[in-house]
Amino acid sequence: KQEVTQIPAALSVPEGENLVLNCSFTDSAIYNLQWFRQDPGKGLTSLLLIQSSQREQTSGRLNASLDKSSGRSTLYIAASQPGDSATYLCAALGDSNYQLIWGAGTKLIIKP
Amino acid sequence: KAGVTQTPRYLIKTRGQQVTLSCSPISGHRSVSWYQQTPGQGLQFLFEYFSETQRNKGNFPGRFSGRQFSNSRSEMNVSTLELGDSALYLCPSSLAGGGQETQYFGPGTRLLVL
Repeated sequence: KQEVTQIPAALSVPEGENLVLNCSFTDSAIYNLQWFRQDPGKGLTSLLLIQSSQREQTSGRLNASLDKSSGRSTLYIAASQPGDSATYLCAALGDSNYQLIWGAGTKLIIKP
Repeated sequence: KAGVTQTPRYLIKTRGQQVTLSCSPISGHRSVSWYQQTPGQGLQFLFEYFSETQRNKGNFPGRFSGRQFSNSRSEMNVSTLELGDSALYLCPSSLAGGGQETQYFGPGTRLLVL
């Protein structure tokens, strides 16, 4: 049974710093790995989707990597800004049941 | 293009009642999924509909049911509400679904069961 873990649960960093959010999964049989952000009182926004055959995806200041062999994905945020403050969730799509299994999220606070 | 719309945004019910939540996907999207989000369990998959057919189902009791109409709008019904059903319910939509492509989320419906 797939389990997705995000550590730490919360992170606070000064504005301008580069940071890495971690996501680990127990079953490497995934179709893709997805990163989302959730702002308070709002739904989720898709950030990056990495197919199982890919090693990384980039969008602006965001870069997500995937290492299936170690069961890890990282989300790198460059030059963090207060607007990056949100909860970041990762989710792994199983390649057999096509159900997204979600991590509990990392709450990120960027201090001005 | 309008985003995913969910109605109502907030809902208060009492135990034993039933509730119906509505979801209008982005125009052209044929897949609608439903998720329950709670502080304790996080996001959990309920079911996915594509072209009016339930294509995938999570591990929720039969009190949770859904349907999709020919215009891709979807409804989720929860009968005999329990306190533990209090949650944020989200219904992302996508073109083809199956979790294989970007999903677009609306703000969700926050249900409180008293």
